[in-house]
Amino acid sequence: DAGVIQSPRHEVTEMGQEVTLRCKPISGHNSLFWYRQTMMRGLELLIYFNNNVPIDDSGMPEDRFSAKMPNASFSTLKIQPSEPRDSAVYFCASSRGLAGSGLETQYFGPGTRLLVL
Amino acid sequence: EDKVVQSPLSLVVHEGDTVTLNCSYEVTNFRSLLWYKQEKKAPTFLFMLTSSGIEKKSGRLSSILDKKELFSILNITATQTGDSAVYLCAVDNFNKFYFGSGTKLNVKP
Repeated sequence: DAGVIQSPRHEVTEMGQEVTLRCKPISGHNSLFWYRQTMMRGLELLIYFNNNVPIDDSGMPEDRFSAKMPNASFSTLKIQPSEPRDSAVYFCASSRGLAGSGLETQYFGPGTRLLVL
Repeated sequence: EDKVVQSPLSLVVHEGDTVTLNCSYEVTNFRSLLWYKQEKKAPTFLFMLTSSGIEKKSGRLSSILDKKELFSILNITATQTGDSAVYLCAVDNFNKFYFGSGTKLNVKP
């Protein structure tokens, strides 16, 4: 299996532009997680989906951030408009199940390094 | 205020040593506690713990949760240089994941 695939791997954009990050989970996994990591804030969970449905988006910083999972093999995290403080590494992870299911091991993608100028 | 505190912040040991990393938490509701290992790139998921007293083990790594005293430990036996990483602990309170600041482990040959 190719593992979790994220694209792009790096993105540099200007403040105010729309940014779309993409994630393809491991086939057969039905839970998907978006994380953000910065030096200042460390690792944060932004949102997670189970069976394509958002379960918990309490970590999403503000309305400029939105995430979708239109099908089991694809998710997007969109920032519109982007700001310099959004600069971070964004990780996507997937698992076969959620907490308590015994299938909760999360596999991380390589991350997207975003720089907003 | 919900929070997760890890200790020590940093640790230097020699190969073959055993280390114990600590994670204590205060949350209004508890669903699970998670351990991750992060080297230079993406985190690697290690364990998810939901029940007290049940040890989870993977090779030289093991972890246990104490829901009464609100902490978890991550043990690494016979450490190797490849264990050098930042180890992160997080707690899921049904609303949000709270991450600790991590313990940076450096294993010297």
